[in-house]
Amino acid sequence: QQPVQSPQAVILREGEDAVINCSSSKALYSVHWYRQKHGEAPVFLMILLKGGEQKGHDKISASFNEKKQQSSLYLTASQLSYSGTYFCGTAVGGGSQGNLIFGKGTKLSVKP
Amino acid sequence: DAGITQSPRYKITETGRQVTLMCHQTWSHSYMFWYRQDLGHGLRLIYYSAAADITDKGEVPDGYVVSRSKTENFPLTLESATRSQTSVYFCASSEWGVQYFGPGTRLLVL
Repeated sequence: QQPVQSPQAVILREGEDAVINCSSSKALYSVHWYRQKHGEAPVFLMILLKGGEQKGHDKISASFNEKKQQSSLYLTASQLSYSGTYFCGTAVGGGSQGNLIFGKGTKLSVKP
Repeated sequence: DAGITQSPRYKITETGRQVTLMCHQTWSHSYMFWYRQDLGHGLRLIYYSAAADITDKGEVPDGYVVSRSKTENFPLTLESATRSQTSVYFCASSEWGVQYFGPGTRLLVL
C-alpha cells in the first residue's frame, strides 16, 4: 500500500535536472509531494489531483498519471537549496483530505 | 505564536516508563496526525484525528494512545516505552489536504 519511490538517492551538480518517481499498486486519487531538509520537518510542495494535471513550484514541477498510478517530480536546473529528501504521499480512501501514506523518500544531494 | 508546536523537543526515557508527547496548533485545523520517522522507513502514520473526539489508527498504532478533547491539542502517549519506539516523532495538522508539520520530538528510549 505504501507508494514506491525511485530512485532512492540521487547526486546532482548545480544546474542539472532530476526526476523522482512515485508509483502505487492502488488507485490514486491524489499525490502529495513534500521536501524535508536535514534536521527539519517536512514541508509541503504541491498536491496533484485526478485529471493528469501538471503543477509547478518555481523550477520544480510534477505530473500525475492516474492510469499508470504514478506521479513524477521534475527538478529543473537544480540549486543547492534543492538538497533534501523528497517524499510522495498518497491519499487513503479517496479525495485529497485526510491521512496520507508516504513513500520511503528520495534523498537528493546537489553539489556545487 | 501561530503555528504548530511540539514539546518536548528532546526526551530521554527508560524502558517501561510512560511518556506523553504534546502537539498544539493555533489554526483550528480539523485534521491532525502523528508520524514517526526512522531511517529506511520514511514517515509512518501512528494515529490521526479528523476532529475533536474522533481518532483513528494509522499504520503503526501499537504501543501508542492518543486523545483529542480540544481541536488544538493532540497528545501522543507511549504507555510503556520500548527501545523500538526510539524515533523522531512529528505531529502535523491539515487544511485542504496540505499538511503542516511541527518541528518534531527526538525520543530516545534506553
